[in-house]
Amino acid sequence: SYVLTQPPSVSVAPGKTARITCGGNNIGSKSVHWYQQKPGQAPVLVVYDDSDRPSGIPERFSGSNSGNTATLTISRVEAGDEADYYCQVWDSSSDHYVFGTGTKVTVL
Amino acid sequence: EVQLVESGGGLVQPGGSLRLSCAASGFTFSSYSMNWVRQAPGKGLEWVSYISSSSSTIYYADSVKGRFTISRDNAKNSLYLQMNSLRDEDTAVYYCARGGFGELFGDYFDYWGQGTLVTVSS
Repeated sequence: SYVLTQPPSVSVAPGKTARITCGGNNIGSKSVHWYQQKPGQAPVLVVYDDSDRPSGIPERFSGSNSGNTATLTISRVEAGDEADYYCQVWDSSSDHYVFGTGTKVTVL
Repeated sequence: EVQLVESGGGLVQPGGSLRLSCAASGFTFSSYSMNWVRQAPGKGLEWVSYISSSSSTIYYADSVKGRFTISRDNAKNSLYLQMNSLRDEDTAVYYCARGGFGELFGDYFDYWGQGTLVTVSS
């Protein structure tokens, strides 16, 4: 089965840039979506189709995808960005959706 | 405003059954695929099942295949998950999430409900 690997945690100072990676075999050939989940809340879509943002999501959130790694970048990090982040793809070989292992972003 | 409201969670013994519901509003329910996603306490997200807008295409995660059944009633704007032969490891918050338009699969989940907790324990 297809596996998506994320770093367990990322720490970043306010105003700096956080980069969260999502590794998978030839993930660059797939569309990657990213979700933000704050404690006790449902996930929220923050980036879809590698690099597009839903309405209402700040431009500070951006994404890229190439080779074996997709990346979610949060620029000018704010305290309110502290949350768990998950990547997601569709695995056509198994007809399964797959979520990454999740990354906890801590704002110092 | 799109709203998804889950219900039906609770405490059930191992081997028991439970039926979850998701009431949808604020969009044309019959035009979108739907999904169930779960999250065990302190763990990550796990996709459970997908159903296309017309119910013609259904997929399950390996962990629930043969035990869970997804269905929908477009006339009632409702999504369901029938869970049988429940195990301790099925304990989780279960979310319904809107997928792609029509018969599209592989798309992102743009709206999520707040979830309903299922606890499997003796």
